[in-house]
Amino acid sequence: LAKTTQPISMDSYEGQEVNITCSHNNIATNDYITWYQQFPSQGPRFIIQGYKTKVTNEVASLFIPADRKSSTLSLPRVSLSDTAVYYCLVALSRRALTFGSGTRLQVQP
Amino acid sequence: DADVTQTPRNRITKTGKRIMLECSQTKGHDRMYWYRQDPGLGLRLIYYSFDVKDINKGEISDGYSVSRQAQAKFSLSLESAIPNQTALYFCATSDFSGADTQYFGPGTRLTVL
Repeated sequence: LAKTTQPISMDSYEGQEVNITCSHNNIATNDYITWYQQFPSQGPRFIIQGYKTKVTNEVASLFIPADRKSSTLSLPRVSLSDTAVYYCLVALSRRALTFGSGTRLQVQP
Repeated sequence: DADVTQTPRNRITKTGKRIMLECSQTKGHDRMYWYRQDPGLGLRLIYYSFDVKDINKGEISDGYSVSRQAQAKFSLSLESAIPNQTALYFCATSDFSGADTQYFGPGTRLTVL
């Protein structure tokens, strides 16, 4: 299972763009990259998923360079409600996911 | 996600007791998972099941057992609870497509005294 590395914590202010980068140097050819968000005492919630280049949805954008050894989750104009832990995972469909410690994002007013 | 339910939501028990946590889903997914989360840490996989007859140990299966009664139900048992099993337990489901996106239940907070 591809191991991921992401910052332990990040701080931001309301209205700013936040970029969280995840390294996955041994990602396999068929692996997708998925990001989850978790609020305290709640289960993780799917945010966005991609395989290559750029993916955008109503919540975030995901940037994946050509070598796919890293990915960047971009949250535009964060608000206080975006304070959460963000997990980056890579997984092929036959393997169970392993969540790391994630990145704890704190948004200040 | 309301399609994945867990019972009970909170449970306090004593050391040595047997306890069962239940998970049900209406998403029609084949795959189900049990995780535990300790304060300030990420999720750790206990057991996972890719279908009713396919059950696999995760990274921390010691002290736990599971039963996949049907496609929609996956139960986690602590045969003899101990205090260091005090944690938040999550059930999740996914379907057999592409990248295995998982949908989580609300969690069960278990305290072992």
